[in-house]
Amino acid sequence: AQSVTQLDSHVSVSEGTPVLLRCNYSSSYSPSLFWYVQHPNKGLQLLLKYTSAATLVKGINGFEAEFKKSETSFHLTKPSAHMSDAAEYFCVVILSSYSGAGSYQLTFGKGTKLSVIP
Amino acid sequence: DTEVTQTPKHLVMGMTNKKSLKCEQHMGHRAMYWYKQKAKKPPELMFVYSYEKLSINESVPSRFSPECPNSSLLNLHLHALQPEDSALYLCASSQLALPGTRDTQYFGPGTRLTVL
Repeated sequence: AQSVTQLDSHVSVSEGTPVLLRCNYSSSYSPSLFWYVQHPNKGLQLLLKYTSAATLVKGINGFEAEFKKSETSFHLTKPSAHMSDAAEYFCVVILSSYSGAGSYQLTFGKGTKLSVIP
Repeated sequence: DTEVTQTPKHLVMGMTNKKSLKCEQHMGHRAMYWYKQKAKKPPELMFVYSYEKLSINESVPSRFSPECPNSSLLNLHLHALQPEDSALYLCASSQLALPGTRDTQYFGPGTRLTVL
């Protein structure tokens, strides 16, 4: 069975300071990992994804994440927070038969709410 | 174009009503998904269609009935819902079909459902 843990339910940063949102996963197979963002009363937007290519993944709006297999982590970072970054962020793990798993499995983390202080 | 559209944006219904949610994508994606999202919670997968056939049903109550009439359209028929079914219902699609896909899912904006 796989699991996803977002280590912080709420992160608060000042505008212009770095952002770190943490995600750890547990899986017996090679997972695909995603970060999505959800602004209030909106759908989810893909920020970036890892699917076994480069371990440092660059996404939209200046976000990036590094896949660290030894630490089973996929933390999301951004050098400088902007007010528009305030939102809910979800880490998602997908396994499939392509991964070697027997069936399709999708798991969302519980989410991290990012607040940006002016 | 990576757009998934959902209608209506908001829906209020009584417990005896029958209503439907609609989702559409024109990206040629072969997998489509329904999720339910309660406030301050992550989305919960309800159903997955691959090549217009139901691939996954996550033990969803029968008062929710999905339908995939063609490769671009996904419906969710609602009947005899309960107040606890009030939530944001999200639709998504991905390019490849299950069970092999690890594709990105593209989400619609959701339908905010209130059951009175």
